[in-house]
Amino acid sequence: DARVTQTPRHKVTEMGQEVTMRCQPILGHNTVFWYRQTMMQGLELLAYFRNRAPLDDSGMPKDRFSAEMPDATLATLKIQPSEPRDSAVYFCASGGQGRNTIYFGEGSWLTVV
Amino acid sequence: SQKIEQNSEALNIQEGKTATLTCNYTNYSPAYLQWYRQDPGRGPVFLLLIRENEKEKRKERLKVTFDTTLKQSLFHITASQPADSATYLCALDQNSGGSNYKLTFGKGTLLTVNP
Repeated sequence: DARVTQTPRHKVTEMGQEVTMRCQPILGHNTVFWYRQTMMQGLELLAYFRNRAPLDDSGMPKDRFSAEMPDATLATLKIQPSEPRDSAVYFCASGGQGRNTIYFGEGSWLTVV
Repeated sequence: SQKIEQNSEALNIQEGKTATLTCNYTNYSPAYLQWYRQDPGRGPVFLLLIRENEKEKRKERLKVTFDTTLKQSLFHITASQPADSATYLCALDQNSGGSNYKLTFGKGTLLTVNP
């Protein structure tokens, strides 16, 4: 059963620490999205990649967030330094070429204290 | 500015009734609109996609309508069951169906179906 895999599922960290979240998209999918979900803002698109190239990261705070795809099977989202306002659920999603629907992972639940 | 608004944050209905959820948008010209379901602690799951040239789409007990003049989609669940209780999200493509599609989501409506 193909699915998007995210790690860690849960992370509690102290303010100022670096946080790295990882995502393995569904094999063969060429588009990868990073979303952040909070009660106040809902699902916000942070960045997305097509064929490993970044297409849009306008939703991401550039000073502390970075997103990369080192290879087709791994996407990373890094926060450095983390702040309490970064506490949220971070979702990775992937989509196949020519298809418009996307498939979400189970999320990484981040708490920054 | 672009907005996607879902009619209410929460909707409570009785089992067996039809649930109707609304998604309104402004300053978009989407080629298609999608609906997703999200259960607590889980990621959203795709349910239905409707294209701009389609008025209605059905899948089992689900029905979606899309009115590009009103800039509105309605999502119906007929013969609702407690298992249908979840948050339902609508999503639009920001790039009018181009190859670089980018989905933007509404905040969702929490549906509770009471037995």
